[in-house]
Amino acid sequence: SQTIHQWPATLVQPVGSPLSLECTVEGTSNPNLYWYRQAAGRGLQLLFYSVGIGQISSEVPQNLSASRPQDRQFILSSKKLLLSDSGFYLCASRGASGTYEQYFGPGTRLTVT
Amino acid sequence: AQSVSQHNHHVILSEAASLELGCNYSYGGTVNLFWYVQYPGQHLQLLLKYFSGDPLVKGIKGFEAEFIKSKFSFNLRKPSVQWSDTAEYFCAVILYNQGGKLIFGQGTELSVKP
Repeated sequence: SQTIHQWPATLVQPVGSPLSLECTVEGTSNPNLYWYRQAAGRGLQLLFYSVGIGQISSEVPQNLSASRPQDRQFILSSKKLLLSDSGFYLCASRGASGTYEQYFGPGTRLTVT
Repeated sequence: AQSVSQHNHHVILSEAASLELGCNYSYGGTVNLFWYVQYPGQHLQLLLKYFSGDPLVKGIKGFEAEFIKSKFSFNLRKPSVQWSDTAEYFCAVILYNQGGKLIFGQGTELSVKP
């Protein structure tokens, strides 16, 4: 089965600073990858998804961007953080072999101060 | 637009009580549905899924869910909850024509009193 790694686990950053969250996947190849943000009482909101290297789809307009430099690496970035970027960020992977459930990483708790 | 709605935001039960968490979806195409669970301090993990066939699906830890197409529902049930079922539960629908992304409901927090 797949294993999703995310780091850092927690991050406290000042407003206006840059952001880079990393996600890597083990146990599969050519996965579809996803970034979600989880907010209390609002479920999980899909931010970006990628079906391959260099292919990024953005779901909501925001201050964040995503990149996929390698097959099993997915990065969430920002040039200048806003207070509203605080939240819990989850990376997920879906294998391309036909299994449709997504596997989730442990998440990163981001606090923008 | 496609959406998933979970009606119960916070449910509090005593051990041995029966559980039913509501989930309704809004999607006109073929649906595949999931329930995910997030135990305190743990990863989000798959509880059960419906793809086709028997609309009553069984998952891990004694959970089951029934897909009722006419009601656009996929409610989660467990006949007798345990303290260890305390967690947040999410219903989701997959959109195949959009990279297989999942649309999640708002989540239901379940607290089971020992």
